[in-house]
Amino acid sequence: NAGVTQTPKFQVLKTGQSMTLQCAQDMNHEYMSWYRQDPGMGLRLIHYSVGAGITDQGEVPNGYNVSRSTTEDFPLRLLLAAPSQTSVYFCASRNRHGELFFGEGSRLTVL
Amino acid sequence: SQKIEQNSEALNIQEGKTATLTCNYTNYSPAYLQWYRQDPGRGPVFLLLIRENEKEKRKERLKVTFDTTLKQSLFHITASQPADSATYLCALDPGAGGFKTIFGAGTRLFVKA
Repeated sequence: NAGVTQTPKFQVLKTGQSMTLQCAQDMNHEYMSWYRQDPGMGLRLIHYSVGAGITDQGEVPNGYNVSRSTTEDFPLRLLLAAPSQTSVYFCASRNRHGELFFGEGSRLTVL
Repeated sequence: SQKIEQNSEALNIQEGKTATLTCNYTNYSPAYLQWYRQDPGRGPVFLLLIRENEKEKRKERLKVTFDTTLKQSLFHITASQPADSATYLCALDPGAGGFKTIFGAGTRLFVKA
């Protein structure tokens, strides 16, 4: 049972480039979310989804897009990367008890 | 503004002692509160969830209390071990449905042998 899998683990981008962070879960959870974690600021919610075809914004959605075509996958797209998006990104899914299951993170540097 | 506060200073304790971490929140009335553990370079791992109608929850050496009047949760690790060294995150859902879980910045715990 893999849980939540994120790829890539590390990525370096130049300002203005675009990329997609991949997230997949094999627990059949309806709810999935993306957070970013910056030093001293804790985890901040970017976008979330309560099921296939349904997405909504979190606390810091600007500069990020998401889609949810299947229950398993929830990719996060950065369209025009900026240095302010340098961070560690975590994908999470949630079971019916409210417990979040996190991936191991994707470390992004934007130069 | 709505926020969760955890002690930003690291907590250093001796092996075998009880570690107590504090989580305070303002302007919320959460239905439940959660605690997670995060090791360096890893994703957070769920530890415990306590509901608003529960005063205390235990799991092995872990104990969580939830005081909705004080808007505070305490997280205790009894008989602490060096392997308990990690960052501990407090989290809650500010609204109905639990779709927007918010996290405190975490408290770093160091347990010395």
